Amino acid sequence: QVQLVQSGAEMKKPGASVKVSCKASGYTFSNYGVTWVRQAPGQGLEWMGWINAYNGNTDYAQKMQGRVTLTTDTSASTAYLELRSLRDDDTAVYYCARGLLPMASGWPGYWGQGTLVTVSS
Amino acid sequence: QSALTQPASVSGSPGQSITISCTATSSDVGSYNLVSWFQQHPAKAPKLMIYEVTKRPSGISNRFSGSKSGNTASLTISGLQAEDEADYYCCSYAGGGTWVFGGGTKVTVL
Repeated sequence: QVQLVQSGAEMKKPGASVKVSCKASGYTFSNYGVTWVRQAPGQGLEWMGWINAYNGNTDYAQKMQGRVTLTTDTSASTAYLELRSLRDDDTAVYYCARGLLPMASGWPGYWGQGTLVTVSS
Repeated sequence: QSALTQPASVSGSPGQSITISCTATSSDVGSYNLVSWFQQHPAKAPKLMIYEVTKRPSGISNRFSGSKSGNTASLTISGLQAEDEADYYCCSYAGGGTWVFGGGTKVTVL
């Protein structure tokens, strides 16, 4: 069965960087894209970006441009989100999700368990 | 401010039908028939309920249905059950390879 297992909670200081991993199993990793979504405490969902696991092409939310980088390691079936210059309002649960359909950036149908990133001085 | 506006809350009694609206505040978002809906229970990951406006992923109850008219997409839950109490989010393609979520709607089963 499709599973996405994310790395553990992180606590960072403002200005630092964080890298969250998302290890996939149960399917051919390079056949599907990975979407990243975050949710601040008590707030709604925010689409951050998407990566094509086959060729590494990416799309980012304009708000995140320049601070976020999505990458994959196909040999390890793992996707990564790196967020730099962390601010207090980056405190959130970060989710990775696999698309329902091959190579489509929409329809994230399988989700990881989420990774809490806390930014605090 | 999200490009998709949802009501903050909707409620209904068991067995009733409710409809959650999702209105695009920009014409470019509203011009795409690429809308999905997610259900999220507290402290859980979101779950895809509807995609491409009307399609249900495998395993999703046919009590959930989606539609779109003009700039407004809708999710209807028929035969409301206690387990349907959750937050619901719409999501639309916004152009340039990007997607945007609505602000979310809390559904309460009375």
